[in-house]
Amino acid sequence: QKEVEQDPGPLSVPEGAIVSLNCTYSNSAFQYFMWYRQYSRKGPELLMYTYSSGNKEDGRFTAQVDKSSKYISLFIRDSQPSDSATYLCAMSGAGNQFYFGTGTSLTVIP
Amino acid sequence: NAGVMQNPRHLVRRRGQEARLRCSPMKGHSHVYWYRQLPEEGLKFMVYLQKENIIDESGMPKERFSAEFPKEGPSILRIQQVVRGDSAAYFCASSTTGAYYNEQFFGPGTRLTVL
Repeated sequence: QKEVEQDPGPLSVPEGAIVSLNCTYSNSAFQYFMWYRQYSRKGPELLMYTYSSGNKEDGRFTAQVDKSSKYISLFIRDSQPSDSATYLCAMSGAGNQFYFGTGTSLTVIP
Repeated sequence: NAGVMQNPRHLVRRRGQEARLRCSPMKGHSHVYWYRQLPEEGLKFMVYLQKENIIDESGMPKERFSAEFPKEGPSILRIQQVVRGDSAAYFCASSTTGAYYNEQFFGPGTRLTVL
């Protein structure tokens, strides 16, 4: 079983739609949860992070963590064509490693 | 204010040759991580280094792969006797500390193609 599972998509939505991206994980030691955005041929960049269960909002982006279900989500409101990218969830615990999902490819159509 | 730098951005090697990938961390960062990204797969941790020390190499293949981060100069990921299966994007990340909650900043990657 993979440490982190993420639906690779691809996901295609019209501009202005609400996007929901999700990951599940198996390791209950994970405490730090992140979402990275990766544009084509670029390195990943950190979008949001959270330490605990609950919601964290930053502009159009909301990260949600449910530790009891081992499930994390990223919501994008009023999606824009510039949001088109691959979104990677990542998580870590007591060790040094970050564990990444496979990434979900998102296209926002104008 | 330069970010993480990697070179070369693209590297083509024939089977059996050596590949050397370089990573210069962000200014003030002394912790470096190497990841490999295969097509249709996520980033896979390979190795974590501090200056002159390998801290965690649990993700490194046992043979042909090695990494170093000398006191002076960039971190180097070295792949000897490359095979087609080594073709991938290799990303380097750096951070200020090695704590699990510390943000890792990624470079643009080196895309290795083995012919």
